[in-house]
Amino acid sequence: ILNVEQSPQSLHVQEGDSTNFTCSFPSSNFYALHWYRWETAKSPEALFVMTLNGDEKKKGRISATLNTKEGYSYLYIKGSQPEDSATYLCATGGFKTIFGAGTRLFVKA
Amino acid sequence: ETGVTQSPTHLIKTRGQQVTLRCSSQSGHNTVSWYQQALGQGPQFIFQYYREEENGRGNFPPRFSGLQFPNYSSELNVNALELDDSALYLCASSLTLEGLTEAFFGQGTRLTVV
Repeated sequence: ILNVEQSPQSLHVQEGDSTNFTCSFPSSNFYALHWYRWETAKSPEALFVMTLNGDEKKKGRISATLNTKEGYSYLYIKGSQPEDSATYLCATGGFKTIFGAGTRLFVKA
Repeated sequence: ETGVTQSPTHLIKTRGQQVTLRCSSQSGHNTVSWYQQALGQGPQFIFQYYREEENGRGNFPPRFSGLQFPNYSSELNVNALELDDSALYLCASSLTLEGLTEAFFGQGTRLTVV
């Protein structure tokens, strides 16, 4: 993998569903992996910065895991709420930050 | 509230003109990065400034240039604007330049080139 890739591109879920997204990145020269939430008309908001293989981070109903050896990270949202509707971006840290194109989440009440 | 502010919020320019976008960093942050986000894509890294020096650059031509001031605020300058420069321009400040700490983003400047 040469770039940062995210899947799926978009996701429609019902309120209360749990969901997860994938971020794939080059495993060589790894510094850090960032997750951001970006709501329409707002600034991207940092969710997690992960640096170590096997890292797991949690913030409320949102959690993330990191596998630097195989180059992927998962973001999980438990019991999705309409206010979780946003674009979720991942990015590799380093001297040249590379973002994925994002996963657009729509949560229907 | 991140404390990173960008100005202006919207801007319309004509092809061939020059534009300057401004960014005020989060207090205490000495690293600023600029990104271009075109429709349907993730933010593309333009360059990063650390203590007033350019510290890294993405795949953007030299007509994209920047400055960082002693108070760590920053400018992005684009000369000879092209239609494809129409995009949302984001700046982000952080405590470290290796991307090991979270970055705080401004709301962006929407540039339209006609």
